[in-house]
Amino acid sequence: EIVMTQSPATLSVSPGERATLSCRASQSVSNNLAWYQQKPGQAPRLLIYDASTRATGIPARFSGSGSGTEFTLTISSLQSEDFAVYFCQQYNKWPPGTFGQGTKVEIK
Amino acid sequence: EVQLVESGGGLVQPGGSLRLSCAVSGFTFSDYAMSWVRQAPGRGLEWVSGISASGSDTPYADSVKGRFTISRDNSKNTLSLQMNSLRVDDTAVYYCARKSAGPRPFDYWGQGTLVTVSS
Repeated sequence: EIVMTQSPATLSVSPGERATLSCRASQSVSNNLAWYQQKPGQAPRLLIYDASTRATGIPARFSGSGSGTEFTLTISSLQSEDFAVYFCQQYNKWPPGTFGQGTKVEIK
Repeated sequence: EVQLVESGGGLVQPGGSLRLSCAVSGFTFSDYAMSWVRQAPGRGLEWVSGISASGSDTPYADSVKGRFTISRDNSKNTLSLQMNSLRVDDTAVYYCARKSAGPRPFDYWGQGTLVTVSS
């Protein structure tokens, strides 16, 4: 099973600042990597797929990069609604499409 | 508008059974694979089981293999998960999620239904 490791576990950022989240795969997943946002009491929402493609309706301040085993989600200027937990998921080897443990982005 | 609505969660004793359902609308159900993904309280996401668009392929996570059964009714736009021999560590919010065929992410999720296994 491919293990996905996210860092940091918690990221404290001020509104308007840039946030950079990392996700590492235990083996290459090509560009078959997605990022999801989850707010308290809500279902996850797809933000980025194929490592760098924004899902429908996702603002341009969200961007993804990377391939192989190293991936990054960048939020260029944090808005109040962006404080949430972010999960990465590989879907290169299916099943299962393994998830990272999540990064919580909190207000500094 | 794509909608996925789960139901059937609740409190059950260890060793008991529960059947979850996911009613979908807003897309051609028979064109998409579906999955169940769960999230234990305060924890991350765990894929539980999936089913191909036709229903012919039904993989399971090792943690639920032999206890859970996934199924779908394409005529009723409904996905189901029969959960037997439930354990305390099955306690979680269960989400149904849509996925296209092949290596694709989950593009739509339901709001989830809470399953609590406790005596």
